[in-house]
Amino acid sequence: GIQVEQSPPDLILQEGANSTLRCNFSDSVNNLQWFHQNPWGQLINLFYIPSGTKQNGRLSATTVATERYSLLYISSSQTTDSGVYFCAVEGIYNNNDMRFGAGTRLTVKP
Amino acid sequence: EAGVAQSPRYKIIEKRQSVAFWCNPISGHATLYWYQQILGQGPKLLIQFQNNGVVDDSQLPKDRFSAERLKGVDSTLKIQPAKLEDSAVYLCASRPGQGKETQYFGPGTRLLVL
Repeated sequence: GIQVEQSPPDLILQEGANSTLRCNFSDSVNNLQWFHQNPWGQLINLFYIPSGTKQNGRLSATTVATERYSLLYISSSQTTDSGVYFCAVEGIYNNNDMRFGAGTRLTVKP
Repeated sequence: EAGVAQSPRYKIIEKRQSVAFWCNPISGHATLYWYQQILGQGPKLLIQFQNNGVVDDSQLPKDRFSAERLKGVDSTLKIQPAKLEDSAVYLCASRPGQGKETQYFGPGTRLLVL
């Protein structure tokens, strides 16, 4: 099945700093989503972005489907941004199965 | 719009006991998913329903896990008998159809098997 790799696995930032999280995937995709899992375990949708660029406040994401990667940008980070960020994809040959990466654990220090 | 509801939020059982989890998806969502998330890992799909039919259960350990969605709305996931390695968070998600749409997740049920 499709493989999803996220980097870096861990990231520690000072409040106000910017960051870029990366998601590589091994095959063509129908669906790509970025999620934030907060400390209470809730998975929160950030972006549905199988291709192109989207922005929502301090967050933006870009997916280059032809090169099989997606980037999540966090600008002016805040302590509430802490948590685990997951990339999840559905391959075009197996779109019943959303595969998650292992996540990037972000810690933002005040 | 109400989100995906799950209960209970926490459950502690001993190995070899049985346990059941309940999920109510967002109103009108035809597709429902159950995921298992082991500590430190991303969620893994267990089973997918389209209305009340199973679309994919290839990763469901069918010797001990079962799931149903009898009326095409809410769903239950059961484990019988539980093993220590079943300790995880069980997440339910739903989406309107089966196409290129966002999945919405519930808060999850944290299971600890002692």
